[in-house]
Amino acid sequence: NAGVTQTPKFQVLKTGQSMTLQCAQDMNHEYMSWYRQDPGMGLRLIHYSVGAGITDQGEVPNGYNVSRSTTEDFPLRLLSAAPSQTSVYFCASSWTDTNTEAFFGQGTRLTVV
Amino acid sequence: QQQVKQSPQSLIVQKGGISIINCAYENTAFDYFPWYQQFPGKGPALLIAIRPDVSEKKEGRFTISFNKSAKQFSLHIMDSQPGDSATYFCAARGSEKLVFGKGTKLTVNP
Repeated sequence: NAGVTQTPKFQVLKTGQSMTLQCAQDMNHEYMSWYRQDPGMGLRLIHYSVGAGITDQGEVPNGYNVSRSTTEDFPLRLLSAAPSQTSVYFCASSWTDTNTEAFFGQGTRLTVV
Repeated sequence: QQQVKQSPQSLIVQKGGISIINCAYENTAFDYFPWYQQFPGKGPALLIAIRPDVSEKKEGRFTISFNKSAKQFSLHIMDSQPGDSATYFCAARGSEKLVFGKGTKLTVNP
């Protein structure tokens, strides 16, 4: 049972480049979310989805796009990378959006130069 | 805005001691309060969670104390061990979102 799988694990981008961070879960969870983790800032919610075809913004959505065409996948797109987007990104999933355990992936460490 | 305030930022405890981490929240719509543990290079993992209709929950050496009227909750780690050294995050869930505190880096010295 793989759980939540994120790819790639590490990535270096040049300013202005675009890329997609992949997230897949095999637990048939309805709720998926993306967080970024920065030193001293904790985990901040970027975007989330309560089910296929439904997405919404979190606390820090600017510069990021998401889509949810299937239950399993929830990719995060950086449209034009900026140094301020250097961070560790975590994808998480849970059965629903209330009162249930969130399972996290191993993270993607992104550096924008 | 920070919806969950966590303190301290870092904590050093001797082996066998008690580690205490505190969190406070403002939004009374929150209805689920989990604690996550994160080791370096890993994603956070659920440690223990509580709902606001309960004042205390204990699982092994880990206890959550919850004070609904004060809008505060805390994690107590009894008999702290070097293997407990990690970053701990409190969180609160409501309105489809799980929001986190800024984290506490716990170091347990042997």
